[in-house]
Amino acid sequence: ETGVTQSPTHLIKTRGQQVTLRCSSQSGHNTVSWYQQALGQGPQFIFQYYREEENGRGNFPPRFSGLQFPNYSSELNVNALELDDSALYLCASSLGLEVGYGYTFGSGTRLTVV
Amino acid sequence: EDQVTQSPEALRLQEGESSSLNCSYTVSGLRGLFWYRQDPGKGPEFLFTLYSAGEEKEKERLKATLTKKESFLHITAPKPEDSATYLCAVLGGTDKLIFGTGTRLQVFP
Repeated sequence: ETGVTQSPTHLIKTRGQQVTLRCSSQSGHNTVSWYQQALGQGPQFIFQYYREEENGRGNFPPRFSGLQFPNYSSELNVNALELDDSALYLCASSLGLEVGYGYTFGSGTRLTVV
Repeated sequence: EDQVTQSPEALRLQEGESSSLNCSYTVSGLRGLFWYRQDPGKGPEFLFTLYSAGEEKEKERLKATLTKKESFLHITAPKPEDSATYLCAVLGGTDKLIFGTGTRLQVFP
């Protein structure tokens, strides 16, 4: 059973650029959520997709957008990067929306905006 | 608004010195409270899910308990390999997993 895989592991971008982060869900998982974790902070919920539809969004501006594909893999896109976007971006997948399924996290993508 | 507060922010223990980490929460319609362990540069690793007040779960040296307002993670006779950041998160009626800022635990020999 493979876990949640995120790519790339590290990324450096310039302010104003756009970035796409990728997440492969654990096998059989149809729900994926994305989180931003600044240094020394807890993960902050960005949004969640269930069966290719967005079903929840945190307090992030519209320049943070996402997609979930038919194979349930996912992308996080961030436009017009700002210095404060520097963080560890985590993806988590789940078998569904039932709380008992829990969430499996990937190791994250470390984004640095300079 | 759903909220999670963890204390202390950091904790240093000598090997074998038992202690507890606290997670206070405010959530409308608690569906589950989660404990995760996170090592530096890695994603959170699942430890426990608690669903209702009075519930307890154990795994090796860790025991998690839940009341209507808070959860505790008790660490009995910790070892240096227990050093990590411990995160608490709640899931309410919004399908949004809300995390606290974590407790950084250091266990030294």
